[in-house]
Amino acid sequence: KQEVTQIPAALSVPEGENLVLNCSFTDSAIYNLQWFRQDPGKGLTSLLLIQSSQREQTSGRLNASLDKSSGRSTLYIAASQPGDSATYLCAVGEYGNKLVFGAGTILRVKS
Amino acid sequence: NAGVTQTPKFRILKIGQSMTLQCTQDMNHNYMYWYRQDPGMGLKLIYYSVGAGITDKGEVPNGYNVSRSTTEDFPLRLELAAPSQTSVYFCASGYVGWETQYFGPGTRLLVL
Repeated sequence: KQEVTQIPAALSVPEGENLVLNCSFTDSAIYNLQWFRQDPGKGLTSLLLIQSSQREQTSGRLNASLDKSSGRSTLYIAASQPGDSATYLCAVGEYGNKLVFGAGTILRVKS
Repeated sequence: NAGVTQTPKFRILKIGQSMTLQCTQDMNHNYMYWYRQDPGMGLKLIYYSVGAGITDKGEVPNGYNVSRSTTEDFPLRLELAAPSQTSVYFCASGYVGWETQYFGPGTRLLVL
């Protein structure tokens, strides 16, 4: 059974800092890996999707990497801003694009 | 496009009552999903559908039922509500299996 772990559970950083969120998974037979953002009381917004054949994806200040063989992904956020404060969820895609989620990292960026 | 819409936004149920959570998408997606999110936890898949008339169980299906009579709608039925079903329920949809999923705003359910 696939298990997804996210470290750290919570993170507080000053504005402008670069930061890394970590995600690990136990079964490397995945179709893709996605990073989502969740704001309090809201639904999920997709940030980046990495197909199993890819190593990384970039969108603006966000960069996500995938190492299937070691079962790891990282989300790098450059020059963090208070508006980046949210919960970040990692999810691995299995057959039928069923997603298995981690518990998330709660990020707070202080101004 | 409205995307994925869910109703109601919030509901309080008494133990043993039943209700249907509604989910509608206007993106003509084949795949639809129901997840639940408990406090401090990630989302867990309840049921999913790969097209009208086709549904299958996810990780935590007990106590729930679904149907998919149209491409747009994917209602989730709770029979005999229990306190363990207190959670936030998210509906999602996607066009094909290897693309991202689009999530609704969620339904917060409290069973007392």
